[in-house]
Amino acid sequence: SYELTQPPSVSVSPGQTVSVPCSEYNLGYKYVSWYQQKAGQSPLLVIYQDNKRPSGIPERFSGSNSGNTATLTITGTQALDEAEYYCQAWDSSTVIFGGGTKLTVL
Amino acid sequence: QLQLQESGPGLVKPSQTLSLACTVSGDSINSNSYYWGWVRQSPGKGLEWIGSIYYSGTTYSTPSLKSRVTISADTSKNQIFLRMTSVTATDTAVYYCARQAHTNSSHFDFWGQGILVTVPS
Repeated sequence: SYELTQPPSVSVSPGQTVSVPCSEYNLGYKYVSWYQQKAGQSPLLVIYQDNKRPSGIPERFSGSNSGNTATLTITGTQALDEAEYYCQAWDSSTVIFGGGTKLTVL
Repeated sequence: QLQLQESGPGLVKPSQTLSLACTVSGDSINSNSYYWGWVRQSPGKGLEWIGSIYYSGTTYSTPSLKSRVTISADTSKNQIFLRMTSVTATDTAVYYCARQAHTNSSHFDFWGQGILVTVPS
């Protein structure tokens, strides 16, 4: 079965760049989307179709997808970016979410 | 402005049926541009897709829940529904409805606020 693997947690200092990976065999052949979820809130789409940003999402959020790994990158991370991040793909008419990565801004 | 509002009982007894509604305002569910989906999140856990419905009535659901889940829609009321039978404590979760793009990325671009459903053990 198709599974998306994410590290449970990553940390970053304010102003620095952080990357959150999402892995599965040949993931690069599928589109990946990314969601931000802050405590007590609904998920928010921050990247879709690998590297597109919805209206209102800051430019510091970017995405890439190649080979077996999709990556969400936050450049110039701010304290308000602290959240859980989930990757998502669509395979054989099924939605798959990654397990989530807790981003801590130290 | 698009709004999705989940509604239903917050407490369901074990072995009974969970029934939720999602009322959509600001967009029509009778659109070929979107699916309308259900996603849940158990306390302290990640997101789990339950299933989605297309305006044609075609439904998709995750294999692990397929036998217990029915997703339907009432286009006259602009609502989608989730029905899950034989619930157990493991079905305790926040249930979200969300708009899902009918594209090859099938991303969820708009979410409801979610509704907590508790199934006591």
